[in-house]
Amino acid sequence: AQSVTQLGSHVSVSEGALVLLRCNYSSSVPPYLFWYVQYPNQGLQLLLKYTTGATLVKGINGFEAEFKKSETSFHLTKPSAHMSDAAEYFCAVSAGTASKLTFGTGTRLQVTL
Amino acid sequence: EAQVTQNPRYLITVTGKKLTVTCSQNMNHEYMSWYRQDPGLGLRQIYYSMNVEVTDKGDVPEGYKVSRKEKRNFPLILESPSPNQTSLYFCASSSTPGRGRTEAFFGQGTRLTVV
Repeated sequence: AQSVTQLGSHVSVSEGALVLLRCNYSSSVPPYLFWYVQYPNQGLQLLLKYTTGATLVKGINGFEAEFKKSETSFHLTKPSAHMSDAAEYFCAVSAGTASKLTFGTGTRLQVTL
Repeated sequence: EAQVTQNPRYLITVTGKKLTVTCSQNMNHEYMSWYRQDPGLGLRQIYYSMNVEVTDKGDVPEGYKVSRKEKRNFPLILESPSPNQTSLYFCASSSTPGRGRTEAFFGQGTRLTVV
């Protein structure tokens, strides 16, 4: 079985501030981890993914995430928030023999001036 | 352009009136799935298909049907919609089933309202 917990359904940061969105996962086998972003009235777009290898993963739009097995975490960060980063962010895990994605409940990021 | 196309984008229907939401992908992906998105619940998988003529239930399959007669198409069927099926629906596809590591490509979503 696999599951994802995203801490904080809403996060608000000032433009230029650090963005930190938290994700913890549970998986009985080595996980593959993903972050997706959803802009208003749009589908989900892949930000970044961890499969194997380097634990620090860089994605699009300046985002990155670090896989920490000991903490079962895959937190998403960006050094400096931009107004265009306002969106909903979903962490997801895939494990086992299927391509099934299990999603967290999402974190809505608000960026203020 | 690689894409997953869902239709319609918006649909309002009445309780009990059968409807179909279509999904088509042009990436020759084997794996396709349907999710529903509800506030505070994230995305939950309804049905998935690992290849043509192979479908299986996801986490919330009640009230839904699917078929996979062709590789590119994976329609979602609501035989008798009810108000609790009011939701935002997403179709997704990915390659290489059995590995779990490939990314999923999502359609633009279908917002369904059942009154």
